[in-house]
Amino acid sequence: NAGVTQTPKFQVLKTGQSMTLQCAQDMNHNSMYWYRQDPGMGLRLIYYSASEGTTDKGEVPNGYNVSRLNKREFSLRLESAAPSQTSVYFCASQLAGGGEQFFGPGTRLTVL
Amino acid sequence: AQRVTQPEKLLSVFKGAPVELKCNYSYSGSPELFWYVQYSRQRLQLLLRHISRESIKGFTADLNKGETSFHLKKPFAQEEDSAMYYCALTSIQGAQKLVFGQGTRLTINP
Repeated sequence: NAGVTQTPKFQVLKTGQSMTLQCAQDMNHNSMYWYRQDPGMGLRLIYYSASEGTTDKGEVPNGYNVSRLNKREFSLRLESAAPSQTSVYFCASQLAGGGEQFFGPGTRLTVL
Repeated sequence: AQRVTQPEKLLSVFKGAPVELKCNYSYSGSPELFWYVQYSRQRLQLLLRHISRESIKGFTADLNKGETSFHLKKPFAQEEDSAMYYCALTSIQGAQKLVFGQGTRLTINP
């Protein structure tokens, strides 16, 4: 099993460009999450999907949209990238009912 | 509001010395507390959770509800313990949204 996979690993965008970060899990988990990691701020939740067909805002949703395409896939879209969105983005998944969240390897995004 | 505070951004100790990484939290209710670790070039992974009450890689953490703390301890540090450590909490009920602390970078000197 690959666990949680993310593409791309690295991306450089210009201000105003759009892009979609992809995340997939093969553990049959119900819940999926997107976090951003910034120095000195830990990880902050952007959006999450408690189950297939549902999505909800986290702590820092502005400037992002998500799609839970199916049970396996949860994508994060930046419609108009801004330098403040320069960060490392992590996707995670979790079996329903709580417990451990499993993280992907991360996507390092730079917005110029 | 839910909040997790890790007061030390950086912590450096010598191999064989005891280690304590501090974590304090604020939460109105019954939270579940976790420690996650990120080793160099590896993804974030769970180290331990308070409800398991187990020791992983020699680390333990006790939930102190009176002091709202969940400090991570190890009696004898090893070089392979060098990593970034995050304390996190989530609600026991409802959506399992993790709230992370700022993280502590632990360096074990030989």
